[in-house]
Amino acid sequence: KQEVTQIPAALSVPEGENLVLNCSFTDSAIYNLQWFRQDPGKGLTSLLLIQSSQREQTSGRLNASLDKSSGRSTLYIAASQPGDSATYLCAVLNAGGTSYGKLTFGQGTILTVHP
Amino acid sequence: GAGVSQSPRYKVAKRGQDVALRCDPISGHVSLFWYQQALGQGPEFLTYFQNEAQLDKSGLPSDRFFAERPEGSVSTLKIQRTQQEDSAVYLCASSFPPGQGFGAFFGQGTRLTVV
Repeated sequence: KQEVTQIPAALSVPEGENLVLNCSFTDSAIYNLQWFRQDPGKGLTSLLLIQSSQREQTSGRLNASLDKSSGRSTLYIAASQPGDSATYLCAVLNAGGTSYGKLTFGQGTILTVHP
Repeated sequence: GAGVSQSPRYKVAKRGQDVALRCDPISGHVSLFWYQQALGQGPEFLTYFQNEAQLDKSGLPSDRFFAERPEGSVSTLKIQRTQQEDSAVYLCASSFPPGQGFGAFFGQGTRLTVV
């Protein structure tokens, strides 16, 4: 059974700092990995999608890497801003076994960027 | 519409009442997922459809939960005889089939409160 873990559970940083969020998964049989952002009371917004054959994806100040063999992904946020404050979730789309086609989430990292 | 639409956005039910939650996926998306998100937790998988076929319902917590997608488009999640532990946000997502290189898109969710 696929399990996804995110570290840290919560992070508070001053504005302008660069930061790294971590995600690990137990089964490397995945199609892709997505990073989502969730604001309080809102749905999930997709930030970056990394295919299993890719190593990284970039969008603006965000960079996500994927090491499928070791079951790890990181989300790097450069020059953080108060507007980045939200919960960040990673999810893997499973490619094998009984989890085929299922999107499995981590518990999320709650990020607070203070001015 | 342009995105995944869920209704209602908020639902208050008395314990024992039946509820029905609706999801309108993005046009052309054959995969549809339902997730349950408790406060402070990551989304937990409930069930998954490909077109009208329910391929995986392993996450449904009890036989009080039932989901359908009769024409392969709109889906309904029904909860019978609601209980307080059913209070959560119910998220719907849709995507193209696994392995085609596309990510999942989420609706805003339905917040269910059972009193």
